[in-house]
Amino acid sequence: DAGVTQSPTHLIKTRGQQVTLRCSPKSGHDTVSWYQQALGQGPQFIFQYYEEEERQRGNFPDRFSGHQFPNYSSELNVNALLLGDSALYLCASTWGGDEQYFGPGTRLTVT
Amino acid sequence: EDQVTQSPEALRLQEGESSSLNCSYTVSGLRGLFWYRQDPGKGPEFLFTLYSAGEEKEKERLKATLTKKESFLHITAPKPEDSATYLCAVRGSQGNLIFGKGTKLSVKP
Repeated sequence: DAGVTQSPTHLIKTRGQQVTLRCSPKSGHDTVSWYQQALGQGPQFIFQYYEEEERQRGNFPDRFSGHQFPNYSSELNVNALLLGDSALYLCASTWGGDEQYFGPGTRLTVT
Repeated sequence: EDQVTQSPEALRLQEGESSSLNCSYTVSGLRGLFWYRQDPGKGPEFLFTLYSAGEEKEKERLKATLTKKESFLHITAPKPEDSATYLCAVRGSQGNLIFGKGTKLSVKP
């Protein structure tokens, strides 16, 4: 049974560019959440998708947007990248609202 | 405002030296407290969920307990492979997880 998968593993972008990160949830899960984790910090909630719609959103600017596809996979898009967007981006999936299972993350470096 | 505070920030133990990690929380109506283990550069690995004061859960050398204001992760006779950052989170009013900054545990042989 495959767990949560994310791609790419690492990414280097320049300030002002745009980036798309991808996530496939654990088999049987229909809800996907995205988190940003800066070095030495706990993960911070960005938003959650269910039934292809954004259900909740954390305190992140509109430069952060997402999408969920009919097969429950999801994308996170970040526009106009800033140096401060450098972080580990985590995807988590769940079904029924209980435990969230995390993927390995995408390490984004903005130069 | 929902908030999670973990202490200590870092903990160094000798192999076999038992200890506890603390997670204090403030949330309006607890809908779950979660413990995760995170190895460097990897995603958090789910350990436990606790829902009500007095509840306890165990897994190998780890035992999690919950009171009305805090949770403890007890580590009994730790081994070097237990070295990791341990994250505590509560479910916020929107259903999202609110994390503490974590406790970095190092176990020396």
